[in-house]
Amino acid sequence: DTEVTQTPKHLVMGMTNKKSLKCEQHMGHRAMYWYKQKAKKPPELMFVYSYEKLSINESVPSRFSPECPNSSLLNLHLHALQPEDSALYLCASSQVSLATGTGELFFGEGSRLTVL
Amino acid sequence: AQSVTQLGSHVSVSEGALVLLRCNYSSSVPPYLFWYVQYPNQGLQLLLKYTSAATLVKGINGFEAEFKKSETSFHLTKPSAHMSDAAEYFCAVSGNNDMRFGAGTRLTVKP
Repeated sequence: DTEVTQTPKHLVMGMTNKKSLKCEQHMGHRAMYWYKQKAKKPPELMFVYSYEKLSINESVPSRFSPECPNSSLLNLHLHALQPEDSALYLCASSQVSLATGTGELFFGEGSRLTVL
Repeated sequence: AQSVTQLGSHVSVSEGALVLLRCNYSSSVPPYLFWYVQYPNQGLQLLLKYTSAATLVKGINGFEAEFKKSETSFHLTKPSAHMSDAAEYFCAVSGNNDMRFGAGTRLTVKP
């Protein structure tokens, strides 16, 4: 069983809706990540939080808004999305910041988002 | 910037045959390399990782990988494929506070 929990597993939303994806880990990890994965493609990094501070934003559109309320939780707020934003959104955590190059990522099972 | 390239988007083997999935890296410094597996509609699971302690790395499910600096390679192997090995495999490199993935290789196992 994965130790990174993502909710909801499936989400269908219209382009005018506001929704949120949630991620939780209790492994004491201090780095958390959001990745976007389209079908038959590798995960693409969106955001990295290190010690609850946003450290990487890969030029993601502002309709995606991350939030890290504490070291165990990571949210992704969604607003005014486009159909092309439909994808699997993966959350991950690591024991140390990958700046040291030693951290392995632990992934959740993902939230599959469909934008109508 | 560090990156990895996976050779072959699709590999098909017979059950019991050798599995070889290829990954080459590009890095100006010693890299930290990983292999992940993804089953349909699931997240990614770590198979093994290279962190410079040993060039031959053993992972879960009978997989192993060898780091070869002279060839800038980190190929994944398994002596005998099982039907349950059918999945998508990603090579990845970490550094600069992120992790980057190769394009992936889909492994099909024929009975």
